[in-house]
Amino acid sequence: AQSVTQLDSHVSVSEGTPVLLRCNYSSSYSPSLFWYVQHPNKGLQLLLKYTSAATLVKGINGFEAEFKKSETSFHLTKPSAHMSDAAEYFCVVKGPVVQNFVFGPGTRLSVLP
Amino acid sequence: SQTIHQWPATLVQPVGSPLSLECTVEGTSNPNLYWYRQAAGRGLQLLFYSVGIGQISSEVPQNLSASRPQDRQFILSSKKLLLSDSGFYLCAWSVRAGFYEQYFGPGTRLTVT
Repeated sequence: AQSVTQLDSHVSVSEGTPVLLRCNYSSSYSPSLFWYVQHPNKGLQLLLKYTSAATLVKGINGFEAEFKKSETSFHLTKPSAHMSDAAEYFCVVKGPVVQNFVFGPGTRLSVLP
Repeated sequence: SQTIHQWPATLVQPVGSPLSLECTVEGTSNPNLYWYRQAAGRGLQLLFYSVGIGQISSEVPQNLSASRPQDRQFILSSKKLLLSDSGFYLCAWSVRAGFYEQYFGPGTRLTVT
């Protein structure tokens, strides 16, 4: 079975400062891991994915995530926050079964001017 | 490229009325299709998924149903809406097999009054 923990329900940063959104997972398999972003009243957009290739994954809009198996973590980072990054972020772990997408509860990112 | 459409974008319906939400995918064949519900301030709940025409699996008991009349069409229905059916409904697709990501539609905001 898989599970996902997003350690912060809300993160607030100033524009231009780094962003760190934390995600820990549990999986019986070698999982695929994803980060999605959701702006208000919009669908989820894929930011990046890890599928057992490089452990440092680069995504869209300057986001990166590093897969650390020993720590069972997949934290999302960005060097410099932009106002447009304010949104809800979901960490997702995927197992081998078709419906097996397990979503974290989400982290709301606020970016202060 | 692939595109996923949902309509309507917003819907206000009285309790006891029927419901039909439609989702279509373009640019891919034989996708897995999913319906999720997102209640206010909460994470995503998988409602239904489908691996092929006429093949529907339900994840939670409820007064909703789903159908897949064509390969790239997924419909969410109800005969009589409840207040608790209010929420943001998201359709998603993924490739048929493996540890691949989901792609989400823009969502339908349903308010049951």
